[in-house]
Amino acid sequence: DQQVKQNSPSLSVQEGRISILNCDYTNSMFDYFLWYKKYPAEGPTFLISISSIKDKNEDGRFTVFLNKSAKHLSLHIVPSQPGDSAVYFCAAREGDSSYKLIFGSGTRLLVRP
Amino acid sequence: GAGVSQSPSNKVTEKGKDVELRCDPISGHTALYWYRQSLGQGLEFLIYFQGNSAPDKSGLPSDRFSAERTGGSVSTLTIQRTQQEDSAVYLCASSPRLTPASYGYTFGSGTRLTVV
Repeated sequence: DQQVKQNSPSLSVQEGRISILNCDYTNSMFDYFLWYKKYPAEGPTFLISISSIKDKNEDGRFTVFLNKSAKHLSLHIVPSQPGDSAVYFCAAREGDSSYKLIFGSGTRLLVRP
Repeated sequence: GAGVSQSPSNKVTEKGKDVELRCDPISGHTALYWYRQSLGQGLEFLIYFQGNSAPDKSGLPSDRFSAERTGGSVSTLTIQRTQQEDSAVYLCASSPRLTPASYGYTFGSGTRLTVV
């Protein structure tokens, strides 16, 4: 039973346009959500996170939106750049005492020049 | 070291053989994790080490899998009698905290295991 779901395995976007990556979750106990970015042959690297008490967090070109009632979050990249082409993983933490992060299956983003 | 180091980066082994994967966490990091990513799948939790406490092995898929963390630092993940379904990228991560902070934890580059 997947607690964190990324239903789009891939996304292709033109350079300069907005990329929107989506993530759904089922566990209402999740208190932190994170996005990781992974290039081929490298480990995932932390990108941005959001606490469950917020609905938006912005860092440069990256913004994460959280809709708790819908159990949905999204990562917006504006403007998209070819270097953003990577696999993006959504992850969630089940409370401050939990040491595990639960990951989605990832979305492969391709930004076309 | 500056980051989490894993070796080997690639390993091809014959079905039935044993393999050992190594992880050097960031110096001073208390917590160490092993995850794996099978083709088309997300990151699957395998095992968690925290200081000198007993590890959480709840994610290990079978008794062919075992892991150790010696001296609170280096960790080895051993897979005995490898099967083709063990083929995956095995990722190690470490954290200075016992639980992931808002920035999660730091991953190594992984070991790509291929069982033929």
